[in-house]
Amino acid sequence: DADVTQTPRNRITKTGKRIMLECSQTKGHDRMYWYRQDPGLGLRLIYYSFDVKDINKGEISDGYSVSRQAQAKFSLSLESAIPNQTALYFCATSDISGNTIYFGEGSWLTVV
Amino acid sequence: AQRVTQPEKLLSVFKGAPVELKCNYSYSGSPELFWYVQYSRQRLQLLLRHISRESIKGFTADLNKGETSFHLKKPFAQEEDSAMYYCALKPNAGGTSYGKLTFGQGTILTVHP
Repeated sequence: DADVTQTPRNRITKTGKRIMLECSQTKGHDRMYWYRQDPGLGLRLIYYSFDVKDINKGEISDGYSVSRQAQAKFSLSLESAIPNQTALYFCATSDISGNTIYFGEGSWLTVV
Repeated sequence: AQRVTQPEKLLSVFKGAPVELKCNYSYSGSPELFWYVQYSRQRLQLLLRHISRESIKGFTADLNKGETSFHLKKPFAQEEDSAMYYCALKPNAGGTSYGKLTFGQGTILTVHP
């Protein structure tokens, strides 16, 4: 039941490189999110989008940008990757209530 | 701004023992609280929400507004309960906060045989 699909699942990139993580969902929801998971810090919100024309910064948006290409697609970009952006990234979606958030399987990103 | 705190990064119990994962929150309004779980090699998923007042997989959680807590409890832990657990808060303030969850730091529960 791959309601939320992330690509790539794993990526190693070099410092200074641009990297894009892509996300698509089949739930038909308007709301999409990008989270970052770090040990001891839990899940932190990077960006969120409540519809195609609405994009908002989360707690830790510096160094990241996003694009909402369609209702079903929400991509996250690191314009110039740095090592402390090494983390597990999750895309998620929810309906307008936000009562249940559906997560992707995560994308492991390593910046060397 | 809201905050969710899970004071225990790691929690170990033996099979059959009671388990309690602690969650405290700070929020000036009336929040909705959730527990999410991430089993090994699976995606993060909703376990339960306080509004539903339900028991899922033997787990329950009661919202204590006086103590601003939402602890997750199970009387008899099973090995398959081993996972990462996140407490999360959703504000009901409306505006751009509406529907956006704030997560705690997570607690890794290990249930030993």
